[in-house]
Amino acid sequence: KAGVTQTPRYLIKTRGQQVTLSCSPISGHRSVSWYQQTPGQGLQFLFEYFSETQRNKGNFPGRFSGRQFSNSRSEMNVSTLELGDSALYLCASSLGTGPIHEQFFGPGTRLTVL
Amino acid sequence: AQTVTQSQPEMSVQEAETVTLSCTYDTSESDYYLFWYKQPPSRQMILVIRQEAYKQQNATENRFSVNFQKAAKSFSLKISDSQLGDAAMYFCAYRSPNTGNQFYFGTGTSLTVIP
Repeated sequence: KAGVTQTPRYLIKTRGQQVTLSCSPISGHRSVSWYQQTPGQGLQFLFEYFSETQRNKGNFPGRFSGRQFSNSRSEMNVSTLELGDSALYLCASSLGTGPIHEQFFGPGTRLTVL
Repeated sequence: AQTVTQSQPEMSVQEAETVTLSCTYDTSESDYYLFWYKQPPSRQMILVIRQEAYKQQNATENRFSVNFQKAAKSFSLKISDSQLGDAAMYFCAYRSPNTGNQFYFGTGTSLTVIP
């Protein structure tokens, strides 16, 4: 069974630009969560989608948004990029939304903002 | 908000020896889950072990076991017979259905295994 895939793996943008990251969950998984990982702030929850609906959102500004498609694939978008948005963005998928369901993480997208 | 604290930024262990990674958490919830995740240099996070708060018995997975002290809000990970492949960043994490099911992660402990 294929794991969680994220594209692209690496991305370089400049301040003010916007970016879209993609996550394809494990087949059959309907929940997708996104996390930002930085050396300073560690791993922080961005949002969770289940069956195309946002179920939960972390404490991030409105520049960070996401969506989930009917095939459970998810995208996250960051508009008006800032230097502080440079991070590893991790996606995780699971069968359901509760903690009883194991989350499987993808390899991440490394975003660098210049 | 829930907080998870890992007080050991770095740890090292001799191959075949045992090492314990510490984690404490703060919550007022009674229903929650605790996890240890491993992130090797390849960056893919892998679940090592999980513990349901309502279970008194400590979870074990092969060479990995936890010491869950609910009253003390402590959740340490013991790695026995350490192997070179155990070298990674280890994250302690908390999750509760009463707080949106999102993960709260600690800052991680970097484990080095010395041959």
